[in-house]
Amino acid sequence: DTAVSQTPKYLVTQMGNDKSIKCEQNLGHDTMYWYKQDSKKFLKIMFSYNNKELIINETVPNRFSPKSPDKAHLNLHINSLELGDSAVYFCASSQGQGPRDRQFFGPGTRLTVL
Amino acid sequence: QQQVKQSPQSLIVQKGGISIINCAYENTAFDYFPWYQQFPGKGPALLIAIRPDVSEKKEGRFTISFNKSAKQFSLHIMDSQPGDSATYFCAASFIRTGTASKLTFGTGTRLQVTL
Repeated sequence: DTAVSQTPKYLVTQMGNDKSIKCEQNLGHDTMYWYKQDSKKFLKIMFSYNNKELIINETVPNRFSPKSPDKAHLNLHINSLELGDSAVYFCASSQGQGPRDRQFFGPGTRLTVL
Repeated sequence: QQQVKQSPQSLIVQKGGISIINCAYENTAFDYFPWYQQFPGKGPALLIAIRPDVSEKKEGRFTISFNKSAKQFSLHIMDSQPGDSATYFCAASFIRTGTASKLTFGTGTRLQVTL
């Protein structure tokens, strides 16, 4: 019974390709997030959606486009992949969007761009 | 700029010892301070959290100490066990009017508990 699941777990691709990462949560939460963890393990928020509406959009290149088809899903599409996009991407969800709403993280997708 | 500074970067503690990880923040608007634990190959998971109106919070072997005037908080792991070996992240967030709150993470501390 995985609360927040991501696919794929690993993604290896060539520079210039387009790829997608999928995320699903079965917690009934209203808010979902994408985080990027770089090679030094630094975690930084990229996007947040609340009830399918984009509410946080950090300084992320336009090549990254999140899509939320429904409350339980938040996918991340990346165009024209670059070497610097190599990282672990985490999806997370929380009941609400307040600071004390506990965030539940998925297992991560390790993206390697060659 | 890094709004939440965390130290040390790595820590080795013997089994049964006390592990201490420190964080300092700059933004006085922060009003919630969680700690996350991350095992290799897994996502971070909430360990313990504190509000700024409390100076200490304890849950089992894990204690957060909070010093509002110094803008510092720390995680103490008592009787550290090999199973505690993981990367620990402090974080901070605050209510933002008209939009969602967001977690600002520290840079992480890799803890290794040896036998």
